[in-house]
Amino acid sequence: EVQLVESGGGLIQPGGSLRLSCAASGFTVSTNIMIWLRQAPGRGLEWVSVIHRGGQTYYADSVEGRFTISRDNSMNTLYLQMNSLRDEDTAVYHCARITSNVGTDYWGQGTLVTVSS
Amino acid sequence: DIVMTQTPLSSPVTLGQPASISCRSSQSLVHSDGNTYLSWLHQRPGQPPRLLIYKISNRFSGVPDRFSGSGAGTDFTLKISRVEAEDVGVYYCTQATQFPQYTFGQGTKLEIK
Repeated sequence: EVQLVESGGGLIQPGGSLRLSCAASGFTVSTNIMIWLRQAPGRGLEWVSVIHRGGQTYYADSVEGRFTISRDNSMNTLYLQMNSLRDEDTAVYHCARITSNVGTDYWGQGTLVTVSS
Repeated sequence: DIVMTQTPLSSPVTLGQPASISCRSSQSLVHSDGNTYLSWLHQRPGQPPRLLIYKISNRFSGVPDRFSGSGAGTDFTLKISRVEAEDVGVYYCTQATQFPQYTFGQGTKLEIK
């Protein structure tokens, strides 16, 4: 059974850093395309970052230069390092698997990040 | 970025009756490979979104056949033939034609009258 479990969210002051984790089971992270998305109240769903099976990474303009996506193949885990956090980064962050020709077929429950002083 | 616009934003429906949600994209979603990467997601309260329909009209594994998708180019529709109580929540259309720049509609809240 495919499962994705996020962790690492919490309350953080503006300018701070957090690292989110997404532990996968039932499939291999390194052979799939993985994505981080976020959902903020009043702002709907937004893609944040993608890592291709070949290792190429992509970032939304809103997080470029501040966030870094990575994966640990031995742990079968996806990460999102978030630096220089801003109030507008407050959201529930989901990881999801992307299957070619299908799309975001499995999502994690999400982890809440609150950026506030 | 491709802008996705859904209508209506709220849809009160009687159990057993049909429901329909429209989604319009700001530009054609036909990819250079000939596919149209338009999907529909459903999010129940307190749950993550789950995939219902991909490439306009393909039901994802386990999705009941009362859900159907149609459309082409820039105009797409999700239909539920007979609404059941478990169908409440928010429905989103999303495009992956401009991968990796996924964009989503604002969401349509389906509620029971």
